[in-house]
Amino acid sequence: VQLEESGPGLVKPSQSLSLTCTVSGASISSGSYYWSWVRQHPGGGLEWIGHLFSSGRTSYNPSLESRLTISADTSKNQFSLRLNSVTAADTAVYYCARDHHDFGEPYSWFDPWGQGTLVTVSS
Amino acid sequence: QPVLTQSPSASGDPGQGLTISCSGGSSNIATNKVNWYQQVPGTAPKLLIYSDYQRPSGVPDRFSGSKSGTSASLAISGLQSEDEAVYYCAAWDESLNGPVFGGGTRLTVL
Repeated sequence: VQLEESGPGLVKPSQSLSLTCTVSGASISSGSYYWSWVRQHPGGGLEWIGHLFSSGRTSYNPSLESRLTISADTSKNQFSLRLNSVTAADTAVYYCARDHHDFGEPYSWFDPWGQGTLVTVSS
Repeated sequence: QPVLTQSPSASGDPGQGLTISCSGGSSNIATNKVNWYQQVPGTAPKLLIYSDYQRPSGVPDRFSGSKSGTSASLAISGLQSEDEAVYYCAAWDESLNGPVFGGGTRLTVL
């Protein structure tokens, strides 16, 4: 299974950040896994952004929920992230990952990860 | 501030063993499974340990995980130069209803 992130590397403040993760070697619509976005700020800290199940069910980090949409295009075996009204604090490397989580269960681990894509928010 | 607490750095000589610790609380480590990730600089994190002590296929048995109360540990035996990386712990958090991470421990093999 391989994942690859794509999208603009530079976004202006107050605009929207949109990224796509293309999955190969597995079907995101199979119903076996969740699919997550995780970001890593310049200082190194990792932050879970949110995840998506094949049914369209999503769950988001409450700190981002008001600005965030995660969606899927099963025809392309891709899932996407859209984060609105970005600020410099959203500058990070964004990773997509297969998420080993079951609905309602308190566990989640990420394997494998994409290689990551750096998004810088700056005018 | 990361929800889980890790020492920022650790070091050891080749061949030695060491332990990296991760401290949490009642809403995460105390009640839920802990995972560990290894991140070599310039690359994506890689799953090292899941569900407290399980190793994915391909991870050497030199790496082992354990948990007690609100703390978890990653033990590495027979240190090798390729073990130089940043190690992150993670666990499901009931308050967030999602996974949280530690700040990472940078391991240097002397």
